[in-house]
Amino acid sequence: DQQVKQNSPSLSVQEGRISILNCDYTNSMFDYFLWYKKYPAEGPTFLISISSIKDKNEDGRFTVFLNKSAKHLSLHIVPSQPGDSAVYFCAARNDYKLSFGAGTTVTVRA
Amino acid sequence: DGGITQSPKYLFRKEGQNVTLSCEQNLNHDAMYWYRQDPGQGLRLIYYSQIVNDFQKGDIAEGYSVSREKKESFPLTVTSAQKNPTAFYLCASSVDRGNTEAFFGQGTRLTVV
Repeated sequence: DQQVKQNSPSLSVQEGRISILNCDYTNSMFDYFLWYKKYPAEGPTFLISISSIKDKNEDGRFTVFLNKSAKHLSLHIVPSQPGDSAVYFCAARNDYKLSFGAGTTVTVRA
Repeated sequence: DGGITQSPKYLFRKEGQNVTLSCEQNLNHDAMYWYRQDPGQGLRLIYYSQIVNDFQKGDIAEGYSVSREKKESFPLTVTSAQKNPTAFYLCASSVDRGNTEAFFGQGTRLTVV
């Protein structure tokens, strides 16, 4: 039973525009949420996170929004750059354990 | 240069054979994890260890075994009992069990031939 879902397997966006990645979760015990970025044949790298007591966290071009009542979070990338083309995983923490979504492949077009 | 090193990057195994994947970290992290990634799925937790000489099963531990004899090393053995071992395996570590920022290795792609 997948507790973290990324319903869009892919996203194509033009360079300079906004990329919006979405993530839904079912477990209300999750207390921390993270986004990871992954290039082919490499391990994921940490991108940005947010505690469940906040609704927004910003780091440069990346902003994560959390809507606890809807059990939904999103990652905004503004402006999108060619180097942002990768797979993005949403993850949620409950105690020691991270549960991951299936990932969204982002392609930034020139 | 601190980080996590997984070896080998690609591994081929014959059916019925056990194989061990290496994971070493020099980040002085207490917690280490093994995940498996299959196409179209998120990362699934196989085993984790919070401290030396202690480890716990994750969601899909059947057919796998681990050891944690040293803080910096957490090898994963894929046994012949694992029914579908072909996958991309990722090792990760974090400062402690809080796991707010797990650092990942580059992964090992295991193929059973």
